[in-house]
Amino acid sequence: DAGVIQSPRHEVTEMGQEVTLRCKPISGHNSLFWYRQTMMRGLELLIYFNNNVPIDDSGMPEDRFSAKMPNASFSTLKIQPSEPRDSAVYFCASSLLQGATYEQYFGPGTRLTVT
Amino acid sequence: TQLLEQSPQFLSIQEGENLTVYCNSSSVFSSLQWYRQEPGEGPVLLVTVVTGGEVKKLKRLTFQFGDARKDSSLHITAAQTGDTGLYLCAGRAGGTSYGKLTFGQGTILTVHP
Repeated sequence: DAGVIQSPRHEVTEMGQEVTLRCKPISGHNSLFWYRQTMMRGLELLIYFNNNVPIDDSGMPEDRFSAKMPNASFSTLKIQPSEPRDSAVYFCASSLLQGATYEQYFGPGTRLTVT
Repeated sequence: TQLLEQSPQFLSIQEGENLTVYCNSSSVFSSLQWYRQEPGEGPVLLVTVVTGGEVKKLKRLTFQFGDARKDSSLHITAAQTGDTGLYLCAGRAGGTSYGKLTFGQGTILTVHP
C-alpha cells in the first residue's frame, strides 16, 4: 500500500496568497483527518471527515481555512488569504473505522512557510 | 474537552539507560495509542491499548494502560540512539467520535551514544 500521500511536501508563499494542500488517503479508509503541528501548540486537529462528510470543523482556526473531500480518494485544505502565523506542518491522516482501535495513518506532511 | 498531559516534555539520556514516559488525563478513554515521530515525517503508530490494565510489549518498549483507562505509560529498556524522536500519546473517547483522537503535547526523547 502506498500510504497517505500529501502534496506539496514544502510550500513557501507570501502573505495574502492562497494556499492549497492536497491529500490522498489510504484506499479503503473511510475517515480523513487534517492536523496542524507547531512547536508551541503541538498537534492540533483542524477538521475530520467520515465517508466524505465533514463531521467536526471546530478546530479550524478561522474562516480563512476551508477543507473539502469531493470523493473518497482526495481531500484539500485551503487557506485564503494566508498569514505568517499559518506557518506550520500540516498533516493528513486516514483511518478505517471498524472494531475498537481506530488507528490513524499519517502522511509525511506539508511544511508551509508564509512570509 | 478531553486533555492528555505528557511528561516529561523533554528527555535526554545515554544509550543503554531505561526511561518511562507518562500520559495522564482526568477523562476516561475507550482506547489509547502511542505514536513515534521522526524529524520531517508524520507520526507512526506504535501500539494501541484498549483494556484497562493492559500491558503490551514491542521488543524493548512496554506500554501499559491504567486500570481506570485514564492514563498510560511507555517504558523503554536499554535505549538506543534509534529510539530518538517525538513520542505522542493519543486517546479516543467512546461513543460516536468517528475515531477522533486527542493528542498529548509529546515527549522529545534524545538518546546520546
